[in-house]
Amino acid sequence: KQEVTQIPAALSVPEGENLVLNCSFTDSAIYNLQWFRQDPGKGLTSLLLIQSSQREQTSGRLNASLDKSSGRSTLYIAASQPGDSATYLCAVPSNSGYALNFGKGTSLLVTP
Amino acid sequence: DAGVIQSPRHEVTEMGQEVTLRCKPISGHDYLFWYRQTMMRGLELLIYFNNNVPIDDSGMPEDRFSAKMPNASFSTLKIQPSEPRDSAVYFCASSSLGQGGSNEQFFGPGTRLTVL
Repeated sequence: KQEVTQIPAALSVPEGENLVLNCSFTDSAIYNLQWFRQDPGKGLTSLLLIQSSQREQTSGRLNASLDKSSGRSTLYIAASQPGDSATYLCAVPSNSGYALNFGKGTSLLVTP
Repeated sequence: DAGVIQSPRHEVTEMGQEVTLRCKPISGHDYLFWYRQTMMRGLELLIYFNNNVPIDDSGMPEDRFSAKMPNASFSTLKIQPSEPRDSAVYFCASSSLGQGGSNEQFFGPGTRLTVL
């Protein structure tokens, strides 16, 4: 079964800092990886989807990279803002189909 | 598009009662997923459908849980009878693989279920 691990579990940074969130997965035979944001008591918002043929994807201040061979992905957030405070979840499809396996998330707090 | 729609947003019920959760996927999406989120176990798949057909229900906890997708625009998740350990947030998501779709999954706002 595909296992997804996210490090760190929680992170607190002052506004303006650049930061990196890490995600690792056990089965490298994936065809995509998706990063989500979840605000407290809310649903999941898709941030970035990286196909297996891609090395990275960018959206605004967010950049996600994918290294299939090592089973790792990183989400880079530039010039963090208090509005970035949320839980960030990494997910990869299961071995048997299209359902997603999620990490436990990284809870990010950006302080003014 | 309005995105994935779920109802109700909150449900409080007593142990033993039947609970029905509803989902309307994004129009044109051919995959529909039901996930459950708890503090202890995080997000886990319950079941998913492709073109209204159940493909993988290995995550359904037990026979008390059932899911249907009678047409492309509606799905239900039913729990009968409900138990306190079913308390969680239930999410519905949809995606598309056909015609250049990427299988990027889009989630609804979730239903927060509390079983007393």
